[in-house]
Amino acid sequence: AQTVTQSQPEMSVQEAETVTLSCTYDTSENNYYLFWYKQPPSRQMILVIRQEAYKQQNATENRFSVNFQKAAKSFSLKISDSQLGDTAMYFCAFYSLYNQGGKLIFGQGTELSVKP
Amino acid sequence: NAGVMQNPRHLVRRRGQEARLRCSPMKGHSHVYWYRQLPEEGLKFMVYLQKENIIDESGMPKERFSAEFPKEGPSILRIQQVVRGDSAAYFCASSPALQAGNTIYFGEGSWLTVV
Repeated sequence: AQTVTQSQPEMSVQEAETVTLSCTYDTSENNYYLFWYKQPPSRQMILVIRQEAYKQQNATENRFSVNFQKAAKSFSLKISDSQLGDTAMYFCAFYSLYNQGGKLIFGQGTELSVKP
Repeated sequence: NAGVMQNPRHLVRRRGQEARLRCSPMKGHSHVYWYRQLPEEGLKFMVYLQKENIIDESGMPKERFSAEFPKEGPSILRIQQVVRGDSAAYFCASSPALQAGNTIYFGEGSWLTVV
């Protein structure tokens, strides 16, 4: 069974600085997708970025980028130039192409606080 | 293009009552998923439905919980005889089809409080 682990329950960063959130996963499959979702105080789940496992190039969305290490099964999220609005819970999620249904498997989350 | 719509946003029920949560997927999406988020935890998959079909209910509790996605109207997650442990946020998500690369979009969640 696939598992997703986020080992940092809480993190903080000063505004305008860079922070990296870690995520590791376990799977025996070769084709899959990885996601980072953001859950701000409003509790809405917002997609931040996604990565296809077959792509070697790391995904980037503006200030958000990932470091995808397939062999190490690691998928960290880097937030550059942190803003106060980045304060949220961040969830790493795994999705398998061969898994019946949209069964996203989530990590436990990392609560990020951006301090002014 | 409206997103995934859930209602009610907040629901309070007494122990033993029934809770019904509704979800309208994004326009053009035929796949609906329900997830539950207990306090201080991540989201856990409950059920995956297409129109008039339950595809995967491996995350649904065996008793008191049921879900449907009728031909017409929203998807419904029904919890009978609620208990305090059912207090949680219930998120609905939708996607266009089960194809490689399709992203799953979430609604804003429904918060159930059992008193």
